[in-house]
Amino acid sequence: DIQMTQSPSSLSASVGDRVTITCQASQDISNYLNWYQQKPGKAPKLLIYDASNLETGVPSRFSGSGSGTDFTFTISSLQPEDIATYYCQQYDNLPTFGGGTKVEIK
Amino acid sequence: QVQLVQSGAEVKKPGASVKVSCKASGYTFTSYGISWVRQAPGQGLEWMGWISAYNGNTNYAQKLQGRVTMTTDTSTSTAYMELRSLRSDDTAVYYCARVNSRVAVNWFDPWGQGTLVTVSS
Repeated sequence: DIQMTQSPSSLSASVGDRVTITCQASQDISNYLNWYQQKPGKAPKLLIYDASNLETGVPSRFSGSGSGTDFTFTISSLQPEDIATYYCQQYDNLPTFGGGTKVEIK
Repeated sequence: QVQLVQSGAEVKKPGASVKVSCKASGYTFTSYGISWVRQAPGQGLEWMGWISAYNGNTNYAQKLQGRVTMTTDTSTSTAYMELRSLRSDDTAVYYCARVNSRVAVNWFDPWGQGTLVTVSS
């Protein structure tokens, strides 16, 4: 299985801050990398697919980049409604998820 | 709108089986696949497997091979996930999610509301 190492596992930032989450694959996965947002008690929601493509209806403050083994997810200006846990997911082989990053407001 | 609606919560004893349903609406069911993902209490997401609603092909996570079966009923646009020989560590919320392809798993959107399965003696 391809292992996805996501960091940090949690972070605290102020409203308006730039937030960055990284995801590292245990082998080259090209751009087969997606990002999801999960709010407490809710199902996950797709934000970014194929590393950098913003899903329709998702605010433009969310973005993704990277290829190969190293990927980055960015919230350009953190909003109160962005409080959630974020997961990366690869699909180069059978899918696996990163461990998640819990984002809180400072 | 595209929607996946799952069956209700289940409580099962160790060794029993559970079958969770996922009814799709708002799109052509056979043009996509369905994946199943579970989340143990306070834990992350674990991919369980997927089924193509187009041709019935399946792929399962290695750790669940032999205990899980995924099926579809195209006449009712419903997907099913059956997990057998339940153990306490199978206690989790089980999600179905539409796969954005009919032949290979890629990304999951949208997701069902989740079904809590509790395994307890």
